[in-house]
Formats: sequence, structure tokens, C-alpha cells
Amino acid sequence: EAQVTQNPRYLITVTGKKLTVTCSQNMNHEYMSWYRQDPGLGLRQIYYSMNVEVTDKGDVPEGYKVSRKEKRNFPLILESPSPNQTSLYFCASSPFAGGNTGELFFGEGSRLTVL
Amino acid sequence: QQQVKQSPQSLIVQKGGISIINCAYENTAFDYFPWYQQFPGKGPALLIAIRPDVSEKKEGRFTISFNKSAKQFSLHIMDSQPGDSATYFCAASKNRGSTLGRLYFGRGTQLTVWP
Repeated sequence: EAQVTQNPRYLITVTGKKLTVTCSQNMNHEYMSWYRQDPGLGLRQIYYSMNVEVTDKGDVPEGYKVSRKEKRNFPLILESPSPNQTSLYFCASSPFAGGNTGELFFGEGSRLTVL
Repeated sequence: QQQVKQSPQSLIVQKGGISIINCAYENTAFDYFPWYQQFPGKGPALLIAIRPDVSEKKEGRFTISFNKSAKQFSLHIMDSQPGDSATYFCAASKNRGSTLGRLYFGRGTQLTVWP
């Protein structure tokens, strides 16, 4: 089954404790992206990657890191989480081969709470 | 600066009625306008998309109307059903330039269809 898989789905952590949210897609997509969803603010792009070893900042990259060492994986790293990073996070992928992003396929989301 | 402005924030419609959600943008370089639908606990999924070379696109009960001169586009849901109750996001992107690969979302509209 074609899908984007995120882990963990739920996480409660404390300020400053490094964490990684993994994202993997099995559709051989070139493009991957991370979004955070907050009430009243919609979906805001954190980072995106148009290909392996190529990453770019979105609207809200502060406090986050990403890497794209393999085509299928795009982990989101919070080196020192803070309470304002409490949010619902979505990973998405797209076949994107130049031009618009095209249809994004989203994971089921990872709900992160930072105490 | 919000690239795509969406209204209303919430919408309540009776079963069988028409649901209308509006979006506006400023950047005339945008050339791809998708709508995503999100059910509780799930990631967003592409519903329908339009490019500015057409003024309307219809897929079943869902129609996008596009007004290039006004820089506005809207989603119309005909014969709204309780199963349409979800959050809807409009979005926009462009296929060239320094922000290639960015997809900008509106803040979302929570639609409730009463039986």
C-alpha cells in the first residue's frame, strides 16, 4: 500500500530533550516536506526537500533540522524542544519532477507535546 | 505575511445545501491552486485542483471557481452531506523561481453539515 509513515504518532517530552520524528514514503517520490498544524494557523511549512541531499527552509524553520540522505526518508529533528513546538506535525511527499509540487500525500500526523 | 487568505474560519450548512469557501492571494506568479480535505485524526488529502488557464473545474459535487483578475478562487460543495464535514484548506504554489517547491496553505475552514 502506497503510504507516508510517521513515527511516533504521539509523544510527550520535556523541554530540551532532543527528539526525532521519522518519516518514510514507499512511493519513490522526489519531494518531501514537513508541516506543522496549529489551531487557527492552518498548515505551515517547516522544511522541504526536492531531492536527496537538497533541503530548503519553509515558513517556520527555527528550532528544527532535517536531513535527506535517502530518497524514502526525511526525519525531522528537534535538537532542543521548547513548549512553543507543541503541535501536530505532518510529513508529506510528492512525485514532483520540476514545476509545481503536484499532489501531496500526507502521513497521519505526529502529535507532539513539549512540557 | 500570509500568502493565501481563506474564509470563513467555520461554516455550518444544512444537508442538501451549498457550501462555499473562499480564498484570495496576492502573488500573481501562483499557477496551481489545490484544495485539501482533512478529516479528524487524519492527514489532509487532495480534493481538487485548478490552474489559472480555466475559470472553473468540476469533479462530482465539488467545483472550483477561479477569478484571475480578482486573484480569488473558491470551493463550492453542492448538495452538501454530513460526510463532507471536515476541515478544508486552499493552497497555492508556483512552478518557477526561488520558492519553487513551496506550497502555501490557507488557515482552513471547518465545515459542519447538519443532517
